[in-house]
Amino acid sequence: GAVVSQHPSWVICKSGTSVKIECRSLDFQATTMFWYRQFPKQSLMLMATSNEGSKATYEQGVEKDKFLINHASLTLSTLTVTSAHPEDSSFYICSARDLGTTEAFFGQGTRLTVV
Amino acid sequence: DAKTTQPPSMDCAEGRAANLPCNHSTISGNEYVYWYRQIHSQGPQYIIHGLKNNETNEMASLIITEDRKSSTLILPHATLRDTAVYYCIVRVFSYNQGGKLIFGQGTELSVKP
Repeated sequence: GAVVSQHPSWVICKSGTSVKIECRSLDFQATTMFWYRQFPKQSLMLMATSNEGSKATYEQGVEKDKFLINHASLTLSTLTVTSAHPEDSSFYICSARDLGTTEAFFGQGTRLTVV
Repeated sequence: DAKTTQPPSMDCAEGRAANLPCNHSTISGNEYVYWYRQIHSQGPQYIIHGLKNNETNEMASLIITEDRKSSTLILPHATLRDTAVYYCIVRVFSYNQGGKLIFGQGTELSVKP
């Protein structure tokens, strides 16, 4: 299947700072990528849909000014957590779909810890 | 997209078949059934999907009832590496849609020696 890579795999940052997470489709082009967040012992929650060349679409309750999404090319989307606080500590996962298929492929996830 | 119901947890003996049920009684005619799994601290992995016919691939088999209101994912010979949370998701099949998935709580499968 298609490969989606996230970087970094884990990050620790101080409260009040910003953190950028990258999501790359390595062997296919993705006009749309998705960002999820997962708290311990919970399911994945969709945060936003990232569209190449246009603004992201955020799910209800997700602060667009706090979670900045940029989809600069057909193979790269970034999620920036601005002014991070301890409650933003979570597992962030991206996904993308190769247009030739109907199943989505996921990155390995990024563990964010805000101290 | 239709909602799904899965048991929160199941155990399976290593080497035996694991049968994971999913109820999707409100599924509509153009919605497919997808299965993903998530091994601890990793991103979800696609397993299989189907519409109304039974499907099989190298990972698993998918059995969908005739009325399409429920389905069963079968791992024919479970190994310890199959221990994971398994998610059943129903969504519209579309090459034009981006692949948005709404996850339920899933079934935590524990394969025991």
